[in-house]
Amino acid sequence: AQSVTQLDSQVPVFEEAPVELRCNYSSSVSVYLFWYVQYPNQGLQLLLKYLSGSTLVKGINGFEAEFNKSQTSFHLRKPSVHISDTAEYFCAVKGQTGANNLFFGTGTRLTVIP
Amino acid sequence: DGGITQSPKYLFRKEGQNVTLSCEQNLNHDAMYWYRQDPGQGLRLIYYSQIVNDFQKGDIAEGYSVSREKKESFPLTVTSAQKNPTAFYLCASSIGFDREQFFGPGTRLTVL
Repeated sequence: AQSVTQLDSQVPVFEEAPVELRCNYSSSVSVYLFWYVQYPNQGLQLLLKYLSGSTLVKGINGFEAEFNKSQTSFHLRKPSVHISDTAEYFCAVKGQTGANNLFFGTGTRLTVIP
Repeated sequence: DGGITQSPKYLFRKEGQNVTLSCEQNLNHDAMYWYRQDPGQGLRLIYYSQIVNDFQKGDIAEGYSVSREKKESFPLTVTSAQKNPTAFYLCASSIGFDREQFFGPGTRLTVL
C-alpha cells in the first residue's frame, strides 16, 4: 500500500509571496501523484497530476509541482499567491500496480494574508 | 454540463436512524467511490465500485452499505451501526479504476 505525508497542517503566506506546500509519499511500486484543492464546504478539484514523463507538472491557477523520485516528494509551488488561493490542499498517491486505491494526505490549510 | 451531484448538501438525522446519501454522475464513468472526511484526517475510503453490480469495501466500511444498480448512481447508506456518523461525505468517479478521480460537492451529515 501507499501513504502520504503532508508535514505542514497550516501555511500562512502574504499575498503575492511565493508558497511551497510539501508532500512526501511512501510506496513499494511506481506511483501516480495528484494535488487537489478544496474550498470550504465544497468537493475536491484536481489541481494537477503526475502520471509519467516530465517531472515538472503544471496545473490550473498557476500552480506547479515537481516529482522527485529519489526524495519521494511531490511538492506544490506557486510563485505569487492570491487571496483566492486560500483553501485546503490535499496530496494523493496511487500505485501503478496492485490494489491501486487513491491514498490522501491529511491536508494543508493555505491562508493568504492581505 | 457533465458532473457529479450529491444530495442533499446538508442532512440532519437522529441517532439510531439509517440515512441514504445520493450520488449521481453523468460523466459515463465506470468507477465510483465514497469517502468520509473528518477534520485533520484527510479522506478515507468507505466503498468503491469498478462496474455496475459490483462494489468493494474500502478502509472504513463498517456501518455503511452501498448499491450499484445503475452506472450513474452509487447511493451510500449510513446505518445505525456506524458509531460516529457525523462527517462530510464525498462521492467521486473516474473513467477507470486507474484514472484520476473527480469529486462531487459533498454532503455534510450531522447526527443529533
